[in-house]
Amino acid sequence: GAGVSQTPSNKVTEKGKYVELRCDPISGHTALYWYRQSLGQGPEFLIYFQGTGAADDSGLPNDRFFAVRPEGSVSTLKIQRTERGDSAVYLCASSSTTGSPWAGELFFGEGSRLTVL
Amino acid sequence: AQRVTQPEKLLSVFKGAPVELKCNYSYSGSPELFWYVQYSRQRLQLLLRHISRESIKGFTADLNKGETSFHLKKPFAQEEDSAMYYCALSVNRNTGGFKTIFGAGTRLFVKA
Repeated sequence: GAGVSQTPSNKVTEKGKYVELRCDPISGHTALYWYRQSLGQGPEFLIYFQGTGAADDSGLPNDRFFAVRPEGSVSTLKIQRTERGDSAVYLCASSSTTGSPWAGELFFGEGSRLTVL
Repeated sequence: AQRVTQPEKLLSVFKGAPVELKCNYSYSGSPELFWYVQYSRQRLQLLLRHISRESIKGFTADLNKGETSFHLKKPFAQEEDSAMYYCALSVNRNTGGFKTIFGAGTRLFVKA
């Protein structure tokens, strides 16, 4: 399809395990974002990529969280030594930063629901 | 620091009644503001953006820089408007692209 795709849709893991969440953005979108949404909260910014580089990773909560986008398309969010507090829906969004007027619109995936037992 | 505040977690109105979802922001620069909506079992999607001054599904939102507000309004609510609504602020970055932060959201429930 033409939308943002995220896998897996659901992931259950045990405390202390390593997890990878994948995002496939809309083709041609140079900007890619990761957000975390806990129950009853709005999306919380984690990191955004402009092309291959992380333009802003100020939202990553600690060094257990890391994200890559090696070829400027697909991105992987990696969480080491998972904790119960990491349980949330992880949202990915992409956007075109070209065009006039300034595009601005984020296109979201359906999210990956992570449950840490 | 940039911040978006939505003071109401839940707003319940009757069908046909006016709706106003409140949003206040904190940002020292020139803001770009949006409303996103999430219907049941659907992904988060853009409803409207202030820069285009458009009306979508009967909703409008006016940027008030003096009050730092971007409230979402609709004169006559419909049952299909029931959803989660998020106000969002985008900050243009010198490094290119932009960073978007979201409010906590307001759940709108329109009763028949």
